[in-house]
Amino acid sequence: DIQMTQSPSTLSASVGDRVTITCRASQSISSWLAWYQQKPGKAPKLLIYKASSLESGVPSRFSGSGSGTEFTLTISSLQPDDFATYYCQQYNSYPGITFGQGTRLEIK
Amino acid sequence: EVQLVESGGGLVQPGRSLRLSCAASGFTFDDYAMHWVRQAPGKGLEWVSGISWNSGSIGYADSVKGRFTISRDNAKNSLYLQMNSLRAEDTALYYCAKAKLSGFDYWGQGTLVTVSS
Repeated sequence: DIQMTQSPSTLSASVGDRVTITCRASQSISSWLAWYQQKPGKAPKLLIYKASSLESGVPSRFSGSGSGTEFTLTISSLQPDDFATYYCQQYNSYPGITFGQGTRLEIK
Repeated sequence: EVQLVESGGGLVQPGRSLRLSCAASGFTFDDYAMHWVRQAPGKGLEWVSGISWNSGSIGYADSVKGRFTISRDNAKNSLYLQMNSLRAEDTALYYCAKAKLSGFDYWGQGTLVTVSS
Protein backbone atom coordinates (compact mmCIF):
# COMPACT_ATOMS: atom_id res chain seq x y z
CA ASP A 1 0.00 0.00 0.00
CA ILE A 2 1.02 3.60 -0.56
CA GLN A 3 1.96 5.33 2.68
CA MET A 4 1.04 8.97 3.23
CA THR A 5 3.11 11.01 5.67
CA GLN A 6 1.92 14.41 6.85
CA SER A 7 4.03 17.06 8.50
CA PRO A 8 3.92 18.54 10.94
CA SER A 9 1.74 16.42 13.21
CA THR A 10 0.80 19.51 15.20
CA LEU A 11 0.95 23.11 14.13
CA SER A 12 0.45 26.14 16.38
CA ALA A 13 -0.54 29.33 14.63
CA SER A 14 -2.41 32.58 15.11
CA VAL A 15 -5.40 34.10 13.37
CA GLY A 16 -4.20 35.79 10.21
CA ASP A 17 -1.15 33.54 9.76
CA ARG A 18 -0.35 31.77 6.53
CA VAL A 19 0.13 28.06 7.18
CA THR A 20 1.26 25.15 5.08
CA ILE A 21 0.79 21.44 5.70
CA THR A 22 2.80 18.91 3.71
CA CYS A 23 1.82 15.43 2.63
CA ARG A 24 4.31 13.01 1.10
CA ALA A 25 3.44 9.79 -0.70
CA SER A 26 5.69 6.73 -0.63
CA GLN A 27 5.36 6.51 -4.41
CA SER A 28 3.93 8.65 -7.16
CA ILE A 29 0.19 9.21 -7.01
CA SER A 30 0.01 11.70 -9.90
CA SER A 31 -2.57 14.25 -8.71
CA TRP A 32 -4.89 11.80 -7.00
CA LEU A 33 -4.86 13.55 -3.67
CA ALA A 34 -7.56 15.07 -1.51
CA TRP A 35 -7.50 17.18 1.65
CA TYR A 36 -10.06 17.09 4.45
CA GLN A 37 -10.82 19.16 7.50
CA GLN A 38 -12.26 17.51 10.60
CA LYS A 39 -13.53 19.18 13.72
CA PRO A 40 -14.14 17.33 17.00
CA GLY A 41 -17.30 15.23 16.91
CA LYS A 42 -17.89 15.95 13.24
CA ALA A 43 -17.44 14.06 9.99
CA PRO A 44 -14.56 15.06 7.73
CA LYS A 45 -15.21 17.77 5.14
CA LEU A 46 -13.66 17.70 1.68
CA LEU A 47 -11.61 20.82 0.98
CA ILE A 48 -9.44 20.02 -2.04
CA TYR A 49 -9.61 17.24 -4.62
CA LYS A 50 -7.31 16.25 -7.47
CA ALA A 51 -4.48 17.97 -5.54
CA SER A 52 -5.47 21.53 -6.37
CA SER A 53 -9.20 21.75 -7.13
CA LEU A 54 -11.22 23.64 -4.54
CA GLU A 55 -14.40 21.89 -3.48
CA SER A 56 -17.57 23.90 -3.98
CA GLY A 57 -18.37 26.13 -1.02
CA VAL A 58 -14.88 26.01 0.46
CA PRO A 59 -13.33 29.44 1.12
CA SER A 60 -10.69 30.55 -1.34
CA ARG A 61 -8.11 30.99 1.45
CA PHE A 62 -7.62 27.23 1.13
CA SER A 63 -5.43 26.03 -1.70
CA GLY A 64 -3.64 22.84 -2.66
CA SER A 65 -0.64 22.15 -4.82
CA GLY A 66 1.74 19.40 -5.82
CA SER A 67 1.92 16.26 -7.88
CA GLY A 68 3.80 12.99 -7.83
CA THR A 69 4.89 12.46 -4.24
CA GLU A 70 4.81 15.86 -2.57
CA PHE A 71 1.74 17.95 -1.86
CA THR A 72 0.84 20.96 0.21
CA LEU A 73 -2.29 22.47 1.70
CA THR A 74 -2.04 26.20 2.33
CA ILE A 75 -4.36 28.42 4.30
CA SER A 76 -3.55 31.96 3.28
CA SER A 77 -4.93 33.77 6.32
CA LEU A 78 -6.09 31.66 9.24
CA GLN A 79 -9.57 32.27 10.54
CA PRO A 80 -10.91 31.12 13.95
CA ASP A 81 -13.05 28.50 12.20
CA ASP A 82 -9.96 26.87 10.66
CA PHE A 83 -8.57 25.37 13.84
CA ALA A 84 -9.15 21.67 13.26
CA THR A 85 -7.39 18.49 12.15
CA TYR A 86 -6.44 18.12 8.49
CA TYR A 87 -5.95 14.87 6.59
CA CYS A 88 -4.61 14.09 3.17
CA GLN A 89 -5.86 11.07 1.24
CA GLN A 90 -4.46 9.33 -1.82
CA TYR A 91 -6.86 7.94 -4.35
CA ASN A 92 -4.34 6.61 -6.87
CA SER A 93 -4.01 3.10 -5.63
CA TYR A 94 -7.53 1.67 -5.53
CA PRO A 95 -8.48 -0.38 -3.63
CA GLY A 96 -5.59 0.65 -1.40
CA ILE A 97 -6.88 4.13 -0.56
CA THR A 98 -4.93 5.61 2.33
CA PHE A 99 -5.04 8.67 4.56
CA GLY A 100 -2.23 10.58 6.18
CA GLN A 101 -2.01 10.46 9.95
CA GLY A 102 -3.44 13.96 10.34
CA THR A 103 -2.19 17.42 11.27
CA ARG A 104 -3.74 19.13 14.25
CA LEU A 105 -3.86 22.90 13.76
CA GLU A 106 -4.13 24.65 17.11
CA ILE A 107 -4.28 28.20 18.32
CA LYS A 108 -0.96 29.65 19.44
CA GLU B 1 -29.78 17.94 0.01
CA VAL B 2 -27.46 14.96 0.15
CA GLN B 3 -27.92 12.85 3.26
CA LEU B 4 -26.10 9.74 4.39
CA VAL B 5 -27.42 8.08 7.53
CA GLU B 6 -25.56 5.15 9.05
CA SER B 7 -27.11 2.63 11.41
CA GLY B 8 -26.45 -0.78 12.89
CA GLY B 9 -23.59 -0.02 15.25
CA GLY B 10 -23.46 -1.16 18.84
CA LEU B 11 -21.64 -3.21 21.43
CA VAL B 12 -20.63 -6.68 20.25
CA GLN B 13 -18.41 -9.40 21.66
CA PRO B 14 -15.17 -10.39 19.95
CA GLY B 15 -15.71 -12.97 17.24
CA ARG B 16 -19.33 -11.97 16.63
CA SER B 17 -20.87 -10.22 13.63
CA LEU B 18 -22.57 -6.93 12.91
CA ARG B 19 -24.15 -5.42 9.81
CA LEU B 20 -23.96 -1.70 9.17
CA SER B 21 -26.32 0.13 6.84
CA CYS B 22 -26.13 3.52 5.18
CA ALA B 23 -29.30 5.10 3.79
CA ALA B 24 -28.62 7.63 1.04
CA SER B 25 -30.83 10.39 -0.27
CA GLY B 26 -30.62 13.63 -2.21
CA PHE B 27 -28.58 12.30 -5.13
CA THR B 28 -28.73 9.58 -7.77
CA PHE B 29 -27.28 6.78 -5.67
CA ASP B 30 -26.52 4.38 -8.50
CA ASP B 31 -24.32 6.94 -10.26
CA TYR B 32 -21.62 6.91 -7.57
CA ALA B 33 -19.12 4.67 -5.87
CA MET B 34 -19.51 4.48 -2.11
CA HIS B 35 -17.06 3.80 0.70
CA TRP B 36 -16.75 2.98 4.38
CA VAL B 37 -14.16 4.81 6.46
CA ARG B 38 -13.57 4.28 10.17
CA GLN B 39 -11.99 6.22 12.97
CA ALA B 40 -10.92 4.58 16.20
CA PRO B 41 -11.39 6.72 19.32
CA GLY B 42 -8.85 9.53 19.32
CA LYS B 43 -7.18 8.24 16.15
CA GLY B 44 -7.02 9.13 12.47
CA LEU B 45 -9.09 8.09 9.49
CA GLU B 46 -8.78 4.61 8.00
CA TRP B 47 -10.35 3.61 4.70
CA VAL B 48 -12.17 0.29 5.13
CA SER B 49 -13.87 -0.64 1.87
CA GLY B 50 -15.30 0.73 -1.34
CA ILE B 51 -17.76 -0.38 -4.01
CA SER B 52 -18.38 0.93 -7.51
CA TRP B 53 -21.77 2.11 -8.71
CA ASN B 54 -22.70 -1.28 -10.13
CA SER B 55 -20.86 -3.44 -7.56
CA GLY B 56 -18.46 -4.48 -10.30
CA SER B 57 -15.39 -3.21 -8.45
CA ILE B 58 -14.93 -3.83 -4.74
CA GLY B 59 -11.95 -3.25 -2.51
CA TYR B 60 -10.95 -3.76 1.11
CA ALA B 61 -8.23 -2.63 3.43
CA ASP B 62 -5.85 -5.43 4.34
CA SER B 63 -6.96 -5.09 7.97
CA VAL B 64 -10.51 -6.26 7.15
CA LYS B 65 -10.04 -8.41 4.05
CA GLY B 66 -11.70 -11.78 4.45
CA ARG B 67 -13.79 -10.62 7.42
CA PHE B 68 -15.84 -7.69 6.07
CA THR B 69 -18.11 -7.63 3.02
CA ILE B 70 -19.40 -4.49 1.37
CA SER B 71 -22.56 -4.47 -0.71
CA ARG B 72 -25.17 -2.09 -2.03
CA ASP B 73 -28.80 -2.16 -3.09
CA ASN B 74 -29.37 0.56 -5.66
CA ALA B 75 -33.12 -0.02 -5.62
CA LYS B 76 -33.12 0.86 -1.91
CA ASN B 77 -30.45 3.57 -2.10
CA SER B 78 -28.54 1.70 0.56
CA LEU B 79 -24.98 0.68 1.32
CA TYR B 80 -24.03 -2.13 3.68
CA LEU B 81 -21.04 -3.48 5.55
CA GLN B 82 -21.21 -7.02 6.89
CA MET B 83 -18.59 -7.37 9.59
CA ASN B 84 -17.68 -10.87 10.77
CA SER B 85 -15.10 -12.17 13.24
CA LEU B 86 -14.94 -8.79 14.92
CA ARG B 87 -11.88 -7.87 16.94
CA ALA B 88 -11.20 -5.27 19.61
CA GLU B 89 -9.20 -3.29 17.06
CA ASP B 90 -12.34 -2.91 14.91
CA THR B 91 -13.77 -0.59 17.57
CA ALA B 92 -14.39 2.69 15.80
CA LEU B 93 -16.86 5.17 14.44
CA TYR B 94 -17.81 3.94 10.98
CA TYR B 95 -18.65 6.51 8.32
CA CYS B 96 -20.15 5.94 4.93
CA ALA B 97 -19.01 8.34 2.26
CA LYS B 98 -19.99 9.23 -1.29
CA ALA B 99 -17.16 9.27 -3.80
CA LYS B 100 -16.46 11.79 -6.52
CA LEU B 101 -13.65 11.59 -9.07
CA SER B 102 -11.04 12.21 -6.44
CA GLY B 103 -12.12 12.29 -2.86
CA PHE B 104 -15.22 11.76 -0.78
CA ASP B 105 -17.56 14.73 -1.00
CA TYR B 106 -20.30 13.71 1.43
CA TRP B 107 -20.06 11.81 4.68
CA GLY B 108 -22.58 10.53 7.17
CA GLN B 109 -22.32 11.26 10.89
CA GLY B 110 -21.12 7.76 11.62
CA THR B 111 -22.23 4.76 13.65
CA LEU B 112 -20.19 3.55 16.60
CA VAL B 113 -19.04 -0.05 16.77
CA THR B 114 -17.58 -1.25 20.06
CA VAL B 115 -16.06 -4.71 20.22
CA SER B 116 -15.63 -5.83 23.80
CA SER B 117 -16.41 -8.75 26.04
